[in-house]
Amino acid sequence: GQQVMQIPQYQHVQEGEDFTTYCNSSTTLSNIQWYKQRPGGHPVFLIQLVKSGEVKKQKRLTFQFGEAKKNSSLHITATQTTDVGTYFCAGPGGATNKLIFGTGTLLAVQP
Amino acid sequence: GAVVSQHPSWVICKSGTSVKIECRSLDFQATTMFWYRQFPKQSLMLMATSNEGSKATYEQGVEKDKFLINHASLTLSTLTVTSAHPEDSSFYICSASSVGQGYSPLHFGNGTRLTVT
Repeated sequence: GQQVMQIPQYQHVQEGEDFTTYCNSSTTLSNIQWYKQRPGGHPVFLIQLVKSGEVKKQKRLTFQFGEAKKNSSLHITATQTTDVGTYFCAGPGGATNKLIFGTGTLLAVQP
Repeated sequence: GAVVSQHPSWVICKSGTSVKIECRSLDFQATTMFWYRQFPKQSLMLMATSNEGSKATYEQGVEKDKFLINHASLTLSTLTVTSAHPEDSSFYICSASSVGQGYSPLHFGNGTRLTVT
C-alpha cells in the first residue's frame, strides 16, 4: 500500500539553528498537508500545498511541494523553543482518498 | 472556526469494561468524521471513517465489533471501545471535515488518552 515516509525521525537543534524535515510518498499526491503536534497535544493543521513545485511561507516556516508531487519539505529558519513538537506531512491515498500521515519528525530545540 | 471537541480527555478503566468517547463539531456540520489511534512516538493510524446516518467504514485490521462507531448527527460521532484490554491503551483522536478527507484540512479534537488496567 501507499507509504509516506519522513526523515529524519528525530532532530535535536540549538535554538537559532535551522531545521528541515523531508517527506516522501510512494505515490503521486494530489495535495500535501502539514501538521504540527505539540507534546501531549493533538495535530494542528499548518498548510496545504496543491501545485507542482509550489512554495509557501509562514513567517519562519517554508513549505515546498516537489515537481513530481511525490515529496515535500518543511524548513524552519532560526528555530525557537516554541517550535518543539512532531511535524507530520499527510497526503490523500487509496481508493477513498483517505489522509495518510507520514511517520513524523520530532523536533527538540535546546535553549 | 472549525472547532472539534472531544470528551473525555483521559480515561482509566479496568480490563473488560467499555469506554465511550464523544467527538463533536461545534461550529460546522461534519458530514464525515475520522477516528485515529496513536501509540507513543508513532504516527496517526486511521481506524475508521464515520459518515452521518450510515455505517462506519473500518480500516483493515480494525475490529468493527470491538470499536463501535455511531454518527447520529452532523455534529456528533461516538467511538465505543468494548471489552477493553491493556493493549487498547492508546491516544484516540477524532477529526472532522465538511468535505472529503483527502481534499481539505482536518480539524482534530484534543484527543482521549485511554489507559486500561
